[in-house]
Amino acid sequence: KAGVTQTPRYLIKTRGQQVTLSCSPISGHRSVSWYQQTPGQGLQFLFEYFSETQRNKGNFPGRFSGRQFSNSRSEMNVSTLELGDSALYLCASSLGRGRLVTEAFFGQGTRLTVV
Amino acid sequence: DAKTTQPNSMESNEEEPVHLPCNHSTISGTDYIHWYRQLPSQGPEYVIHGLTSNVNNRMASLAIAEDRKSSTLILHRATLRDAAVYYCILRDANSGNTPLVFGKGTRLSVIA
Repeated sequence: KAGVTQTPRYLIKTRGQQVTLSCSPISGHRSVSWYQQTPGQGLQFLFEYFSETQRNKGNFPGRFSGRQFSNSRSEMNVSTLELGDSALYLCASSLGRGRLVTEAFFGQGTRLTVV
Repeated sequence: DAKTTQPNSMESNEEEPVHLPCNHSTISGTDYIHWYRQLPSQGPEYVIHGLTSNVNNRMASLAIAEDRKSSTLILHRATLRDAAVYYCILRDANSGNTPLVFGKGTRLSVIA
């Protein structure tokens, strides 16, 4: 079956602009999480969506937002881009939100460069 | 979330076994031990997880200490493709879909 698909793979934006990244989870998966990866901070959790509702949120400013559609596809948006937002943004999908979720499947990420 | 401690880097020769250690001295009784790895230019991928007993799958084995304060990921025969950053992560089974909290991980280099 197809894996997690993230688009676009690469993006260059200017400071102050906004950007929208897309994630299509594995068919049947209802939970989508977003992570930011930078050389300095490593992999950090942004937020998680399940059934179109945000269930968990990491410690990021309000410029970072997301949403999930009825088909489980998710988008994340970053407004008023800063140079420090340059990072690899990773999406992960999981089957559900049961008492124990065993495995998260990650996409290849979107590499965002802010200039 | 309980924290884990891993060596920054390790090196192995190709086709030899690799033992990647992880310390988690503050682990709680409901924390599962998960391992993920991240190959160059890719997103992380699940490797294995366990609670108390040792676990085996097609990718690796997980050996868990009796007191659960440490664990070891075992790659039985390292290949060049196993060169990656390996993350040891604790997830509380009672907290629903808790986010994965990644530390710095162990960068494994495999020498041909």
